[in-house]
Amino acid sequence: KAGVTQTPRYLIKTRGQQVTLSCSPISGHRSVSWYQQTPGQGLQFLFEYFSETQRNKGNFPGRFSGRQFSNSRSEMNVSTLELGDSALYLCASSPGPTSGNTIYFGEGSWLTVV
Amino acid sequence: QKEVEQNSGPLSVPEGAIASLNCTYSDRGSQSFFWYRQYSGKSPELIMFIYSNGDKEDGRFTAQLNKASQYVSLLIRDSQPSDSATYLCAVSGNNRLAFGKGNQVVVIP
Repeated sequence: KAGVTQTPRYLIKTRGQQVTLSCSPISGHRSVSWYQQTPGQGLQFLFEYFSETQRNKGNFPGRFSGRQFSNSRSEMNVSTLELGDSALYLCASSPGPTSGNTIYFGEGSWLTVV
Repeated sequence: QKEVEQNSGPLSVPEGAIASLNCTYSDRGSQSFFWYRQYSGKSPELIMFIYSNGDKEDGRFTAQLNKASQYVSLLIRDSQPSDSATYLCAVSGNNRLAFGKGNQVVVIP
């Protein structure tokens, strides 16, 4: 059974640009959540999608957005990139809503903003 | 008060010893608790989950949960160099999973 797949794995962007990251969950999983990980802040919750609906959103500015498609695949977008957005972005999937379910992480997308 | 706290600094343990990691959480309504291991440059991988008070053992790992005191711990017995990693505590509540900042474990051969 394939795991969570994230693309691209590595990318470098310039300040002011935007970026779209993609996530394909484990087959049969309907919930996708996104996290940002930095050395200083640790793993911070961005948002969760279940059945194409955003269930919860973390404390991030509106430049961070996401969506989920009918096949459960998800994308997140960051607009007007700032240097501080450099981080590892992790997608995780679970069979149902995150609460009460185990989540499984993809390998992550390493974003560097220069 | 942070939702999930892992306060202790890097932990160095000799090979074969027991590594003990602690985590406290603020939301009394939390129901599910997880430990993830993250190697440098890799994504977190699930080690264990625990829902009920008491101990849960899986191989060399034991998770302990005390809801009254709002803490969860992880014991690693017979520590191996391959256990050198950062261990993340995660607590489920408020429709999301909150993570601590992690504890680095270094197993010294």
